[in-house]
Amino acid sequence: DAGVTQSPTHLIKTRGQHVTLRCSPISGHKSVSWYQQVLGQGPQFIFQYYEKEERGRGNFPDRFSARQFPNYSSELNVNALLLGDSALYLCASSPISGRYTGELFFGEGSRLTVL
Amino acid sequence: AQSVTQLGSHVSVSEGALVLLRCNYSSSVPPYLFWYVQYPNQGLQLLLKYTSAATLVKGINGFEAEFKKSETSFHLTKPSAHMSDAAEYFCAVSEGTGGFKTIFGAGTRLFVKA
Repeated sequence: DAGVTQSPTHLIKTRGQHVTLRCSPISGHKSVSWYQQVLGQGPQFIFQYYEKEERGRGNFPDRFSARQFPNYSSELNVNALLLGDSALYLCASSPISGRYTGELFFGEGSRLTVL
Repeated sequence: AQSVTQLGSHVSVSEGALVLLRCNYSSSVPPYLFWYVQYPNQGLQLLLKYTSAATLVKGINGFEAEFKKSETSFHLTKPSAHMSDAAEYFCAVSEGTGGFKTIFGAGTRLFVKA
């Protein structure tokens, strides 16, 4: 079975540009979460979507937005990129059935470099 | 609000020695707790999870962790380190009553010496 897939794997942008990152969850998983991992730090929670609705949001500016599609795939959008947005962006899906346990299945990540 | 504190950003052990990685959590409700491992340039992989069943949890690759409510701890151990255990380890917590957020610690890098 395919795991969580993310695209692109690497990308380079310049300050002020916009970026869209994509994620396909494991088949049957209806929840997708996004995390930002700056080099040398733990993953920081950005968003969580379940059944196409935002269910959780971390302490990130409004330049960050996301959505989930009917097939449960998801996009993370970041506008007006700053140097500090350079990071590994991780997508994770969850097999929510009744109660959310917090167990996450991660993709390999999209490494964003902002110049 | 939930939070996780991992004591020690770096831990170094000899091959064959005991591995002990420390994690303390804060949660206003009964938590679900996790340990994840991350190898260079990869995503995170679940090692083990505590979801209010047995307090001693066994995971993959010989790792285990014990949930101690009185100490608000969830330390990760492995009796004998292997070179392949060298990686970054993250402790994480989520609220077990419908919260939709999993919070990670800052991570502990494990070095294994030959």
